[in-house]
Amino acid sequence: KQEVTQIPAALSVPEGENLVLNCSFTDSAIYNLQWFRQDPGKGLTSLLLIQSSQREQTSGRLNASLDKSSGRSTLYIAASQPGDSATYLCASCSGTYKYIFGTGTRLKVLA
Amino acid sequence: EAGVAQSPRYKIIEKRQSVAFWCNPISGHATLYWYQQILGQGPKLLIQFQNNGVVDDSQLPKDRFSAERLKGVDSTLKIQPAKLEDSAVYLCASSLIGAGYGASYMNTEAFFGQGTRLTVV
Repeated sequence: KQEVTQIPAALSVPEGENLVLNCSFTDSAIYNLQWFRQDPGKGLTSLLLIQSSQREQTSGRLNASLDKSSGRSTLYIAASQPGDSATYLCASCSGTYKYIFGTGTRLKVLA
Repeated sequence: EAGVAQSPRYKIIEKRQSVAFWCNPISGHATLYWYQQILGQGPKLLIQFQNNGVVDDSQLPKDRFSAERLKGVDSTLKIQPAKLEDSAVYLCASSLIGAGYGASYMNTEAFFGQGTRLTVV
């Protein structure tokens, strides 16, 4: 049974800092891993999807890496801004193509 | 391209009442998911459909929750009777999987709706 864990649960950083969010999963037989952003009271916005054959994906200031053998993915945010404040969720897609989510990292970027 | 549509956005009901949520996935998406997200937690899969068939409903509390996907397009999720612990955001998502494109990785990308926030008082 796939289990997904995210560390840290919460993070508060000053504006401009580079930061790393961590995601680990127990079953390495995944199709892909997807990172989402969730603003308070809102749905999930897809940020990056990494296919199981890939090592990383980049979009603007975001870079996500995947190491299937160790069951880990990281989301790197460069030059953080107050507008980046949100909850970040990772989810693995495996088995019958279902997504299993971590509990999220609540990020606050201070101006 | 229109995204995943959900309604209503908010619902407040008393315990023991019934409630229904509606989801319209992205056109052409064969797989539809319903997730429950309790405050402070990650989303938990309730049920997964591929076209109009159920793929996984192992975490759906079947004594009170039901879901259907008529004609393999729109879906409704119902709770009857509601309990206080059902207060949560209910998220619907869809993906191309099963739509005849083969199981390539990119076709597995999931797109989520805005969710329905349910408060049971």
